Amino acid sequence: SYELTQPPSVSVSPGQTARITCSGDALPKQYAYWYQQKPGQAPVVVIYKDYERPSGIPERFSGSSSGTIATLTISGVQAEDEADYYCRSADGGGTSFGGGTKLTVL
Amino acid sequence: QVQLQESGPRLVKPSQTLSLTCTLSGGSISSGNYYWNWIRQPAGKGLEWIGHISTSGSTNCNPSLKSRVTILLDTSKNHFSLSLSSVTAADTAVYFCARVHANYNGPDVWGQGTTVTVSS
Repeated sequence: SYELTQPPSVSVSPGQTARITCSGDALPKQYAYWYQQKPGQAPVVVIYKDYERPSGIPERFSGSSSGTIATLTISGVQAEDEADYYCRSADGGGTSFGGGTKLTVL
Repeated sequence: QVQLQESGPRLVKPSQTLSLTCTLSGGSISSGNYYWNWIRQPAGKGLEWIGHISTSGSTNCNPSLKSRVTILLDTSKNHFSLSLSSVTAADTAVYFCARVHANYNGPDVWGQGTTVTVSS
């Protein structure tokens, strides 16, 4: 397992673009996954394999990765996007999660 | 539709062993190339990976928990299990199971989670 670092919080107004970063030394070699978690619910994957979006996830969610930083971008943020977001990656030693970012929609 | 469901005791006494089962429906746990994972989340905190077992039976665990964790696959019952020994109050958390593609070609499937409290 290794460390993944996320900002504790991000705030945006409705309709703006939110960007949540995840940094880790293994990211150049490993894929990043992104999860949305609302209170009392299980995490839901919104991006896998750096940029793939599962069926049913709105197109406003996108992912990218460059070097040691993976980024989750939410374009045209809506009130319903307010949640905790976690990144995940893995290497030969196991799986790690970032500490989570609370997205607040102002 | 593939679904996972965690089950097991909700209350465990300190120093005892926490045992949970994750049952797969809508598919076979012995087919495909997956990692079957356990993850936990203490109240108000982030996600912590506990460990996984592959479809072939190989395991990998969080180094911080490795000495206390056993993960097994039971293909006859289409489930996998977690045993965490010598528990303390710090092990109180929501425990999730999840199926992860070993070759990254699909999204995860997670269970809804089950809350386990360690208390006398």
